[in-house]
Amino acid sequence: DSGVTQTPKHLITATGQRVTLRCSPRSGDLSVYWYQQSLDQGLQFLIQYYNGEERAKGNILERFSAQQFPDLHSELNLSSLELGDSALYFCASSVSLAGGRNTGELFFGEGSRLTVL
Amino acid sequence: QKEVEQDPGPLSVPEGAIVSLNCTYSNSAFQYFMWYRQYSRKGPELLMYTYSSGNKEDGRFTAQVDKSSKYISLFIRDSQPSDSATYLCAMSPNSGYALNFGKGTSLLVTP
Repeated sequence: DSGVTQTPKHLITATGQRVTLRCSPRSGDLSVYWYQQSLDQGLQFLIQYYNGEERAKGNILERFSAQQFPDLHSELNLSSLELGDSALYFCASSVSLAGGRNTGELFFGEGSRLTVL
Repeated sequence: QKEVEQDPGPLSVPEGAIVSLNCTYSNSAFQYFMWYRQYSRKGPELLMYTYSSGNKEDGRFTAQVDKSSKYISLFIRDSQPSDSATYLCAMSPNSGYALNFGKGTSLLVTP
């Protein structure tokens, strides 16, 4: 058990809908990362938050957004869903060092499997 | 071209074999190199962590980084059926950056 909690584990929805995925990082970790994993693209970095602030953006679509709340949990919002958004969405957190840096080791949750029909 | 390339396999070996897994990369700024193991329906978990070039050993696992060739390897000695999983290489230019992952190599160790 990595200590990172993600809900829901599975989600089935229709095209055009909107969903919210939730992540609670390990106790004490200030950084949260969202990744998308599909068979053809592998693990793709979406976005990183540090202590409530957006730190880095990867290949995140404009239809997707995220935020990190004061209690450090994070939510990833996916809207206007398309069939191609079906994937595993992982949240990870990292050991935080001074100045927002981290050790590089990411601790992953079990993922949220999204199926868009 | 992706920044990190990894052969997806699958790779099937008999129990006890030495396994060699590899990744190549194109970004010379990468300095932090990691190997993650991912079991089916689970999140990736860190196996090995290396900074810059050189070798690192941890039990049956050895990680090698050759920055001049932009090539990293993971060796598994005395492979066990419990090693059957997908192995992902990951790297970043700085400890504060998100990781760039390879697509993963699927390994099956047969008894």
